[in-house]
Formats: sequence, structure tokens, C-alpha cells
Amino acid sequence: DVKVTQSSRYLVKRTGEKVFLECVQDMDHENMFWYRQDPGLGLRLIYFSYDVKMKEKGDIPEGYSVSREKKERFSLILESASTNQTSMYLCASSLPLGGRTNEQFFGPGTRLTVL
Amino acid sequence: AQSVTQLGSHVSVSEGALVLLRCNYSSSVPPYLFWYVQYPNQGLQLLLKYTSAATLVKGINGFEAEFKKSETSFHLTKPSAHMSDAAEYFCAVIMFSGGYNKLIFGAGTRLAVHP
Repeated sequence: DVKVTQSSRYLVKRTGEKVFLECVQDMDHENMFWYRQDPGLGLRLIYFSYDVKMKEKGDIPEGYSVSREKKERFSLILESASTNQTSMYLCASSLPLGGRTNEQFFGPGTRLTVL
Repeated sequence: AQSVTQLGSHVSVSEGALVLLRCNYSSSVPPYLFWYVQYPNQGLQLLLKYTSAATLVKGINGFEAEFKKSETSFHLTKPSAHMSDAAEYFCAVIMFSGGYNKLIFGAGTRLAVHP
């Protein structure tokens, strides 16, 4: 079974802090994704990566950056956390994006609260 | 551009009753459609997917969905609800953008099952 793990289930940070959310997958997937989930808005794509050291902006990249130094690990960085970044963050991975029906496998999520 | 609309942010059914969760899509190309389920405090799990083969797709846990091109719909059904079906359900469509495929999610439908 594919396993996607996220470093924290719950995180509380203060405004202005630098925040790192880590995601690791164990199935050698090329692609990894970061989403945020908010009530009534579904999941919105923040960034994705299709290879090591490669990244692409999603639909809402403002205020975020990412890092992918190793194939299995994809980090989401909030350079200076703000209260409007309080949300559930979900990481996912999949086989190459060329496969149009490739399933994305999700981690359990990190609920971030910024005070 | 592709998009999905889920009608009804909350649906409540009795145990043993029919479950019907509605999803309509918009796509300028033949769509690839997915239903995901999110149980409390968990990530998303794939229920089923439509990949242009059979229009009636069977998924896990007794769920199925029918692709209707004329109605641009991909509604999710289950003949008899179980208490364990209580969760949030997301419909999603693949969008091809900038050389990559991305999943576009609906806002989600929270299903409650009462005795």
C-alpha cells in the first residue's frame, strides 16, 4: 500500500513565524502535491512537483514556497505565517502526470492554526 | 476550463436508505472524473474513477457512479446507507494545464447517516 505521511497532525504557530510542513511518500512516486482544505471551498492546489528540485505553482501559491531535495520528500514552507493561513493542509503523491487517470494518494493532513 | 459543482454541502439520510450525492462537471474535452471520501481526521481515499470505459463505475464500499454525458453529471450512489458511510465526499475532474494534469475538486458534500 502507498503510504503518505505528514510530520504533524496538529500545529499551532504565531503570526510571523516560519513554518515547515513535511511530507514523505514511500512508493517512489514522481509527483507530489500540496493542497489546503477549507470548509465550502474543497481542496485547492498550492504547489506541485513532478521531479526532484522541480516545482510548479498551483492555484493559490501566494505566501507559500516548497522544497523537494529528495524524491520521497516534499516540504511546504510558510515564510511568515499569517492568520489567514489557518487551514488543513493535505499532501498527496502520484505516478507521472502524463497518466491522466493516475490516482493521487493522500496523507492524513496537518491542521495548522496561526494565532 | 474544467470545473465541478457538488449540489448540496450537507446530505442527511437514514441508515438503510439510498445515498445520492450529486456532481456536475464542466469540461471542454472528454473528462476523467473521480470521487474521493474523507473520513473524520483522515486524508482522502479514492472511491472510484471514470476513465471513458464503462459509464457505470463501481467503487469500494458498495458505492457506484454513472457518467451521463448528456447531463454532464457523475452522481454517486449507494443503495443502502450504513453508519460507517458518514464522511465528506469530494468529486474531482482532471484538468490539463500547462503540460500537466491537475485535479480540480468540488466543494465537498458532508454525508450524515442517522439511525
